[in-house]
Amino acid sequence: GESVGLHLPTLSVQEGDNSIINCAYSNSASDYFIWYKQESGKGPQFIIDIRSNMDKRQGQRVTVLLNKTVKHLSLQIAATQPGDSAVYFCAENHSGGSNYKLTFGKGTLLTVNP
Amino acid sequence: DTEVTQTPKHLVMGMTNKKSLKCEQHMGHRAMYWYKQKAKKPPELMFVYSYEKLSINESVPSRFSPECPNSSLLNLHLHALQPEDSALYLCASSYSFLRVYSTDTQYFGPGTRLTVL
Repeated sequence: GESVGLHLPTLSVQEGDNSIINCAYSNSASDYFIWYKQESGKGPQFIIDIRSNMDKRQGQRVTVLLNKTVKHLSLQIAATQPGDSAVYFCAENHSGGSNYKLTFGKGTLLTVNP
Repeated sequence: DTEVTQTPKHLVMGMTNKKSLKCEQHMGHRAMYWYKQKAKKPPELMFVYSYEKLSINESVPSRFSPECPNSSLLNLHLHALQPEDSALYLCASSYSFLRVYSTDTQYFGPGTRLTVL
């Protein structure tokens, strides 16, 4: 079936390093992708999104890359800080069809070591 | 402002109790959502309201009853819950909910941590 998944369930990095969190999706009709950050005990927080007519989008310290050829999405966090420690979910949706809801990946736990 | 608020933060209830969860947003969003999230799992969609009307019910048991009194408020009424219903209940909102163009970002509230004894 259609799914959005993550390559790595956990990622541990040193403070100051760059982090890369990966996500694979299987629905070639997906045209909208979102990254959410969820800290312990809190709701998912929107980080950045990208539509399928783009292959890169940058925010503050974050960059999302979309490779439609291999159906792969990544989130890059520059100069990772302890406050970046959280679970990161990718989510996808597509216009039209019957798939009206966001499909979430399983999540990657990012731990930043001081 | 992209804030969605939820009350209460924590709720403990017995299986015979009736309680309600509340959600509020003042972003002018016309779509509001309830999700259930178990530990270490992604959120699972329960209900979608669009323009104050229930658009989607993801086959949720009738012991969960949603209500949308106006465009800013969303409630989830709980009755005769089971211990396996214990979870984080998340509310979200987006500008609109259109099946043919569902690319509006959903913004989540902090959630209500529900424990059913």
